[in-house]
Amino acid sequence: AQSVAQPEDQVNVAEGNPLTVKCTYSVSGNPYLFWYVQYPNRGLQFLLKYITGDNLVKGSYGFEAEFNKSQTSFHLKKPSALVSDSALYFCAVRDVDYGQNFVFGPGTRLSVLP
Amino acid sequence: EPEVTQTPSHQVTQMGQEVILRCVPISNHLYFYWYRQILGQKVEFLVSFYNNEISEKSEIFDDQFSVERPDGSNFTLKIRSTKLEDSAMYFCASSASGGTYEQYFGPGTRLTVT
Repeated sequence: AQSVAQPEDQVNVAEGNPLTVKCTYSVSGNPYLFWYVQYPNRGLQFLLKYITGDNLVKGSYGFEAEFNKSQTSFHLKKPSALVSDSALYFCAVRDVDYGQNFVFGPGTRLSVLP
Repeated sequence: EPEVTQTPSHQVTQMGQEVILRCVPISNHLYFYWYRQILGQKVEFLVSFYNNEISEKSEIFDDQFSVERPDGSNFTLKIRSTKLEDSAMYFCASSASGGTYEQYFGPGTRLTVT
């Protein structure tokens, strides 16, 4: 069965500092990995994905994520946080060998403090 | 930029009543999905739909639920006899294809069952 863990409910970071939101996953086969962001009263917005190839993927709004197969992790990063990055972040996984649906992590609330 | 739309934004209904949640996916997308998010909990997969039939469904998607694509643009989720525990935010999503393609989410319908 697929599963996703986001070990931190809340991440606080000062504006201008680098940020990391952690994600680990478990799948039987090969993973497709995604990050989504949810702003208040809005749907989930796609940030980036890892399918294959370079382990470092770049996405929207200056975010990037690093796929680490040995650690089964896909941490989201940004070199310099903005107050406007404050939102709920969800990691999601698709097991290549099992169906089309995403399994989402529980979410991490990011607060960027001015 | 094309987006997924959902109506209504908020639906209040009494226990035992039928509700229909409506979605208009992105026009050239082929795969359609429903997810739900109970307040404070993670996003959960309900069902995926492709080529006018259900391709996958979760354990949550029991006989009380049904989906339909009544015309070329709308995608609906029907709950036949709502229960208190059906109260949640329901998200529709669509993707251009399965596989590596990301899913694009609508803003959600908040369903409140009283």
